[in-house]
Amino acid sequence: AQSVTQLGSHVSVSEGALVLLRCNYSSSVPPYLFWYVQYPNQGLQLLLKYTTGATLVKGINGFEAEFKKSETSFHLTKPSAHMSDAAEYFCAVSAEGGSNYKLTFGKGTLLTVNP
Amino acid sequence: GAVVSQHPSRVICKSGTSVKIECRSLDFQATTMFWYRQFPKQSLMLMATSNEGSKATYEQGVEKDKFLINHASLTLSTLTVTSAHPEDSSFYICSGLLPGQGNYGYTFGSGTRLTVV
Repeated sequence: AQSVTQLGSHVSVSEGALVLLRCNYSSSVPPYLFWYVQYPNQGLQLLLKYTTGATLVKGINGFEAEFKKSETSFHLTKPSAHMSDAAEYFCAVSAEGGSNYKLTFGKGTLLTVNP
Repeated sequence: GAVVSQHPSRVICKSGTSVKIECRSLDFQATTMFWYRQFPKQSLMLMATSNEGSKATYEQGVEKDKFLINHASLTLSTLTVTSAHPEDSSFYICSGLLPGQGNYGYTFGSGTRLTVV
C-alpha cells in the first residue's frame, strides 16, 4: 500500500520568493514519485518525476525536487516564484515493479503568488 | 509527446440522461487507461482502471452499472455516466499508461466538467 501526504493545503508566496511545497510518502516498495500541476478546469501536467538514479530531479518551469529516502520526502522547490506559477500542485506515488500501475495522489496544495 | 485527447471539455445534461466522455490516445497505444473523478478543491479519486479488450476494474465504492467504461480499442476509452443525477456533477479526468514505462509513465487528458441539472 502507498500513500502521500502534502503538508499545507494552501501556500502563499510573494513574486520572486522561494517556493517550497512539501510531500511525504509511504510505500512498502521503492517508490516512483511525481509532481503534477493543475490549472483551473484543466488536466494534470507533469512537472517532474523520480524513478531511479539521481535523487535531485529537475523539471519544467524551474522546479526541482529531491528524493530523500531517510525522510520519505519529495519536496518541490523553485527559487523564484512567478505569477504564472499560481495553480494547484499534486504529489503522487506509484510502486516500482508492481503489477498495479495505480497512481496515488496527495490532496493537493494550492499555490498563490502575490505581486 | 504522448497525448490523450479528452472530449467534451464541458457538458451539461438533464437529470436522468446519460453522458459519454471519450479519451483518445493520439500517438501511442494505451493498453491501460485510468478514470478519475475530482470534486472541487479536492484531489483526484481513482474510479476505475480499464484495459483494452477486457472489463474495467472498479475501485471500491464506485458503481460499475452507473459508470460504464469501455476500452474496445488501443486508442479509445469511454466513460458513460448513466442516469445522471446532480450528485454526479464533477470533473472527470482520464489518464493513459504509456507503453514500456511501467509505473512511471502517465499522460492525462484535459478533463471534462460535467454538470447535471
